[in-house]
Amino acid sequence: NAGVTQTPKFQVLKTGQSMTLQCAQDMNHEYMSWYRQDPGMGLRLIHYSVGAGITDQGEVPNGYNVSRSTTEDFPLRLLSAAPSQTSVYFCASSRDLGELFFGEGSRLTVL
Amino acid sequence: AQKVTQAQTEISVVEKEDVTLDCVYETRDTTYYLFWYKQPPSGELVFLIRRNSFDEQNEISGRYSWNFQKSTSSFNFTITASQVVDSAVYFCALSEASYQGGSEKLVFGKGTKLTVNP
Repeated sequence: NAGVTQTPKFQVLKTGQSMTLQCAQDMNHEYMSWYRQDPGMGLRLIHYSVGAGITDQGEVPNGYNVSRSTTEDFPLRLLSAAPSQTSVYFCASSRDLGELFFGEGSRLTVL
Repeated sequence: AQKVTQAQTEISVVEKEDVTLDCVYETRDTTYYLFWYKQPPSGELVFLIRRNSFDEQNEISGRYSWNFQKSTSSFNFTITASQVVDSAVYFCALSEASYQGGSEKLVFGKGTKLTVNP
């Protein structure tokens, strides 16, 4: 049972570089979302999706893009990385009325 | 706007003590969901409980119990006879009720770091 799979687990970028954090789930969940976790801040919602082709912004969307072309995948794109985007990123998925299943996290450092 | 406050940043107890983690929330919605998640030192997020706003019954699961009080907008979490393995960061979270009733948008508190010493 893979659940929610995030790649890469670790990444170091230079300011201005772009990259994509991959997220895939094999539970046929409709809902997927991306959170970032910063020390002392808890988790904050970046973007979410309620189904293929439907995405919306969360609390901290600036600097990030998402798309949802399939039910399984929900990639998060950093367009031009900034040091403020240094964080741990969690992808999550859920069914309606269900718990949120999280991936193991991706630790991103922007120099 | 929705908000979750976990006033206790860090708590340290000795094994076998009972400990209560506080959670106070703010929302204008009449229908909402409350959650607790555990994040052990390994970093993953583990679901503990989900409660909807219409169900104020307290819940007990083994050594864990939850006290939901709408009158004080609180959803407190108690660990009875704590163990070293309970050491983790615990997050309380709030979700508005979407038309599909999902938990796709959570607002998290900043977390309480619990250390249980042997």
